[in-house]
Amino acid sequence: DTGVSQDPRHKITKRGQNVTFRCDPISEHNRLYWYRQTLGQGPEFLTYFQNEAQLEKSRLLSDRFSAERPKGSFSTLEIQRTEQGDSAMYLCASSQTSGSLYEQYFGPGTRLTVT
Amino acid sequence: QQQVKQSPQSLIVQKGGISIINCAYENTAFDYFPWYQQFPGKGPALLIAIRPDVSEKKEGRFTISFNKSAKQFSLHIMDSQPGDSATYFCAASLVGAGGTSYGKLTFGQGTILTVHP
Repeated sequence: DTGVSQDPRHKITKRGQNVTFRCDPISEHNRLYWYRQTLGQGPEFLTYFQNEAQLEKSRLLSDRFSAERPKGSFSTLEIQRTEQGDSAMYLCASSQTSGSLYEQYFGPGTRLTVT
Repeated sequence: QQQVKQSPQSLIVQKGGISIINCAYENTAFDYFPWYQQFPGKGPALLIAIRPDVSEKKEGRFTISFNKSAKQFSLHIMDSQPGDSATYFCAASLVGAGGTSYGKLTFGQGTILTVHP
């Protein structure tokens, strides 16, 4: 399978704990995006990387959230001191930037439940 | 600010019918408009996309119609099937010179499509 993969698929944590999610993009894609989706809503942009550089962060990304893509391949999204409002599906997507290949392909997501 | 508005919120269609979902956008700088299909518990899957240099794009049973002056675009699903039952999202993004994406997608709120057999 050469699609976008995410791990874990589900995470249940208690309020105040830290959690980390991983995303592995399609291998030849140099752009990687993180989105958050709450029930009944469309995905909302959080941040994206081109190679290892983080190019844009949404105002939704509070200082409790940090994302990295250290070698321009996989990425991690960490949430510190989780709150109940952080419960959502966290989606990762990847794309190319060469030519007209700008379509974003999504992974299956990580569903976070904060109790 | 909701930059992409999608309607209807839900849609029920009989098998073989036509499903039509509409989106309107505010940012005139948007120039890439994809549609995604999402099944419960799965990530969104790219269905079809259009750039504003054409008014219509068809792929199989799926057609996008685009009206630049009205800042509206729509998805038509012909011969709808029960397997098409899913949530559909329109989205918009900026694409720069040479086709390089500027990045983030702005999504509509979604339409839950139910196709009855």
